[in-house]
Amino acid sequence: EPEVTQTPSHQVTQMGQEVILRCVPISNHLYFYWYRQILGQKVEFLVSFYNNEISEKSEIFDDQFSVERPDGSNFTLKIRSTKLEDSAMYFCATTKWTASDTQYFGPGTRLTVL
Amino acid sequence: GQQVMQIPQYQHVQEGEDFTTYCNSSTTLSNIQWYKQRPGGHPVFLIQLVKSGEVKKQKRLTFQFGEAKKNSSLHITATQTTDVGTYFCAGEGRYGGSQGNLIFGKGTKLSVKP
Repeated sequence: EPEVTQTPSHQVTQMGQEVILRCVPISNHLYFYWYRQILGQKVEFLVSFYNNEISEKSEIFDDQFSVERPDGSNFTLKIRSTKLEDSAMYFCATTKWTASDTQYFGPGTRLTVL
Repeated sequence: GQQVMQIPQYQHVQEGEDFTTYCNSSTTLSNIQWYKQRPGGHPVFLIQLVKSGEVKKQKRLTFQFGEAKKNSSLHITATQTTDVGTYFCAGEGRYGGSQGNLIFGKGTKLSVKP
């Protein structure tokens, strides 16, 4: 069965540094999402992406965050200047059509900001 | 803003006992989805409910969607140790655009004592 993949599995960075988290969506899926989950807490929506542009974003997704699909396969989340509170699991998810479809989650990237 | 509330936060049961988690939304939902997250894992889609009053079963799991489409429940009959994990409900949210995204409840963490 097709899977969403994410790299790296764990990223450790210093506060203020830029990080790029990568996701390879399922090939025929059209909508892509980033969620984050702070340890022990609920999954929180960050941003959705369709047709090479942001479709929706939450209040968490401020100017420090950006997303892009640079090469037609990878879907990336960039955090420009990481803060301690950015430490979390970041999940990429994809759906074939809309959020009403099944969302397939990747294994996540654990980001640790020191 | 739109909220999805879930109770209880934790549930400890003896193997063989039943388990129920409840989900309530502050707004009427077009659909509700349920996910399971094993410790250290990522959310895995279980089911989607769309119709008012809908009931769906998956082996020992029974999912219900309320008549008003604002609440839902997941019931597990005769729990097994393999049921351990956190169960999240998620409703389709809106951030002002036309594309909905998932708003997750805080989850119910189930532990099963053999």
